[in-house]
Amino acid sequence: DTAVSQTPKYLVTQMGNDKSIKCEQNLGHDTMYWYKQDSKKFLKIMFSYNNKELIINETVPNRFSPKSPDKAHLNLHINSLELGDSAVYFCASSLMSRATNEKLFFGSGTQLSVL
Amino acid sequence: GENVEQHPSTLSVQEGDSAVIKCTYSDSASNYFPWYKQELGKRPQLIIDIRSNVGEKKDQRIAVTLNKTAKHFSLHITETQPEDSAVYFCAASPNSGYALNFGKGTSLLVTP
Repeated sequence: DTAVSQTPKYLVTQMGNDKSIKCEQNLGHDTMYWYKQDSKKFLKIMFSYNNKELIINETVPNRFSPKSPDKAHLNLHINSLELGDSAVYFCASSLMSRATNEKLFFGSGTQLSVL
Repeated sequence: GENVEQHPSTLSVQEGDSAVIKCTYSDSASNYFPWYKQELGKRPQLIIDIRSNVGEKKDQRIAVTLNKTAKHFSLHITETQPEDSAVYFCAASPNSGYALNFGKGTSLLVTP
């Protein structure tokens, strides 16, 4: 019944590896996001998608590539992982559109540790 | 883009006291201001929100006030309890829509 689910919950990997995080929402929302939360707890938007279309790309290195196969899924692929990529990555969804702002529903987060 | 400043970064209060967290935003076109609570190891969850056509909103022990002219909004928690201990984030919607920009968070500790 989880509204926004993301997997895996924990991801431990070596520098230079490529990894993916998957996200799915069953709320019927049109907009999905990836946020990065660093060690200081700062929540920073990375990407937002509306109906599979990229809307926001906040100066994220191109090693990060989001993919939205349909509006219920937004996956995040990271190439050539670096130590600085270690963080908690949250997927979120909302009814937000250009005309209206609505609350975000967050997934449970993926704690990525790059060794 | 929208810039959200949040103060204080840490706040310690005694159980039963009130706690106030303040935020300012830069984009005068922003019209939606939610507050999220994040407990340790958990996801952020909405606790209250306010839209720009309202000056104040209250939900039991939690209230939010908005001053559009000054571009600031505040979270007020009364009769604090130890379970209120968490990190609280304010957020504002930028003019471009489609996202929320968050403040840097306030770590609230309520001591019995």
